Amino acid sequence: AQSVTQLGSHVSVSEGALVLLRCNYSSSVPPYLFWYVQYPNQGLQLLLKYTTGATLVKGINGFEAEFKKSETSFHLTKPSAHMSDAAEYFCACHYNQGGKLIFGQGTELSVKP
Amino acid sequence: SQTIHQWPATLVQPVGSPLSLECTVEGTSNPNLYWYRQAAGRGLQLLFYSVGIGQISSEVPQNLSASRPQDRQFILSSKKLLLSDSGFYLCAGGQEEKLFFGSGTQLSVL
Repeated sequence: AQSVTQLGSHVSVSEGALVLLRCNYSSSVPPYLFWYVQYPNQGLQLLLKYTTGATLVKGINGFEAEFKKSETSFHLTKPSAHMSDAAEYFCACHYNQGGKLIFGQGTELSVKP
Repeated sequence: SQTIHQWPATLVQPVGSPLSLECTVEGTSNPNLYWYRQAAGRGLQLLFYSVGIGQISSEVPQNLSASRPQDRQFILSSKKLLLSDSGFYLCAGGQEEKLFFGSGTQLSVL
């Protein structure tokens, strides 16, 4: 069955440290891949997405993600965390066959001063 | 541009009462449509999705049902609400890599 797994429901980093949020999907055909951020009491905001082409995708706020087909992964990174990055992050996969759009469980990112 | 209208923003209903949440889409035709529930502190759980009029796929067994009577209308319903139906309900739509979201409905069942 199609699924999206985000490893770690809570990730804590220090300000200025590397941010790494992990996402793995299960599918024999690469889906469209997305990362969304959700600030408290707000809706989902698109950070970046992978469709086809270049496997390293750059998004807003300095985030980027790399699609690795061999690892069925789409991990989100940011070289230097900022306090304003504290939020909930969701990985999502849109499976073209059947049209299913699945979100991971979410990862809450905390940034310590 | 694509827009999803979802209402109401908040809803308080007694246990055992019926529910009808409506989601309408503008700016696109024949989108895939989705209903999600986000419980407090948890992720987005896919409840139903639809690839066309009258076509509904259910992801989890539950007290809810969905219908798509028109191309741009997606309705989430229940005949009798349970306490466990409380949560944040989000409608979403999309075609291929283009996705868009409603503003959500916070449902409290008391």
